[in-house]
Amino acid sequence: DTGVSQDPRHKITKRGQNVTFRCDPISEHNRLYWYRQTLGQGPEFLTYFQNEAQLEKSRLLSDRFSAERPKGSFSTLEIQRTEQGDSAMYLCASSLELANTEAFFGQGTRLTVV
Amino acid sequence: GNSVTQMEGPVTLSEEAFLTINCTYTATGYPSLFWYVQYPGEGLQLLLKATKADDKGSNKGFEATYRKETTSFHLEKGSVQVSDSAVYFCALSDNTNAGKSTFGDGTTLTVKP
Repeated sequence: DTGVSQDPRHKITKRGQNVTFRCDPISEHNRLYWYRQTLGQGPEFLTYFQNEAQLEKSRLLSDRFSAERPKGSFSTLEIQRTEQGDSAMYLCASSLELANTEAFFGQGTRLTVV
Repeated sequence: GNSVTQMEGPVTLSEEAFLTINCTYTATGYPSLFWYVQYPGEGLQLLLKATKADDKGSNKGFEATYRKETTSFHLEKGSVQVSDSAVYFCALSDNTNAGKSTFGDGTTLTVKP
């Protein structure tokens, strides 16, 4: 397994357009997480899935954001009607459902809204 | 709620200098503690972790000890290299959900030859 992969690595979009990002977790990991990281800040938790169930959403996840993990494997994060404030790095991570384990992060998708 | 406070950067050191990056936390219960490293344009890589009080995490010459009495998890390295230049993040999570973490704002380290 090559780790967590995210696609695309970079996305430039015009304000008001919709964008979708994809995350492929490590294959045996049943938990998948999305984070947002703005310049000079640490990552902020957005949401997580256990298998196909979305178990928690941060209040940062406005109703323009939607995430899915339809078959408990890859996940998508869609942002509708993008705004300049959505410009950030979007990170995906995955982990096993075990105590005292660790999460593995992908390289992120950098979104620029112009 | 949970929070992590890291020493403000940036930090600039000469090669072979001693490194300390301070990290303190606020959390309920007994979290797991992590240090991640981020190179320019890249995602996060786990550097080390500790899951209970007095545990010492270590990797690539970096060390950090989980100090419950001072709620701290300071990162240290005895002799830094130019290749250690990166942003370092301290983080905590509930030890039953490792991926749902609270991060500090990061400390940028630059090591000069």
